[in-house]
Amino acid sequence: GEDVEQSLFLSVREGDSSVINCTYTDSSSTYLYWYKQEPGAGLQLLTYIFSNMDMKQDQRLTVLLNKKDKHLSLRIADTQTGDSAIYFCAESYNTDKLIFGTGTRLQVFP
Amino acid sequence: DTEVTQTPKHLVMGMTNKKSLKCEQHMGHRAMYWYKQKAKKPPELMFVYSYEKLSINESVPSRFSPECPNSSLLNLHLHALQPEDSALYLCASSRTTGQRAGNTIYFGEGSWLTVV
Repeated sequence: GEDVEQSLFLSVREGDSSVINCTYTDSSSTYLYWYKQEPGAGLQLLTYIFSNMDMKQDQRLTVLLNKKDKHLSLRIADTQTGDSAIYFCAESYNTDKLIFGTGTRLQVFP
Repeated sequence: DTEVTQTPKHLVMGMTNKKSLKCEQHMGHRAMYWYKQKAKKPPELMFVYSYEKLSINESVPSRFSPECPNSSLLNLHLHALQPEDSALYLCASSRTTGQRAGNTIYFGEGSWLTVV
């Protein structure tokens, strides 16, 4: 995770939008991913974006990629209590190795 | 069925014990992975198997020994571990290796290992 940085914590009210940010360092990354990890559970792939895209939308999730600034974000619309978890961004560059970010703990309160 | 199954869910072992973690998938995937995740840290890659052959070993100590008996199974044999090896061990699989669209990596729920 040393090359992929995320803010540690985010707290939002139910129904609001959440934006989780990620900064990566390897400009040759080809795919960037967002994973969700609930307490005591494994990793669930939420979405991914190819490096030649700027944006990808999938239902309540919107991924934005700024390659110039090496910045990736995940927006969750209408955040629900079930969205409370740790969110990891991850990068890869034509290898089988995923480099995970430090993780952002999202807490949703009523 | 998009499931990677890991057993056991919890394991406590002494430093002189020999134990194994098991992973199974029936999605026809030909790439399987072991990741290690310490508390409050991101997962870190340990091993990659591609078509039942070890393709990546991230300089993992030899007290961890992976084995891929067939395309559906992946084991991690543990021997003479240290307390600092206590962590969540995650197995994952994907259709094949190499990063490309549709080659989603699916993770299991993990095995919580405590070394005493």
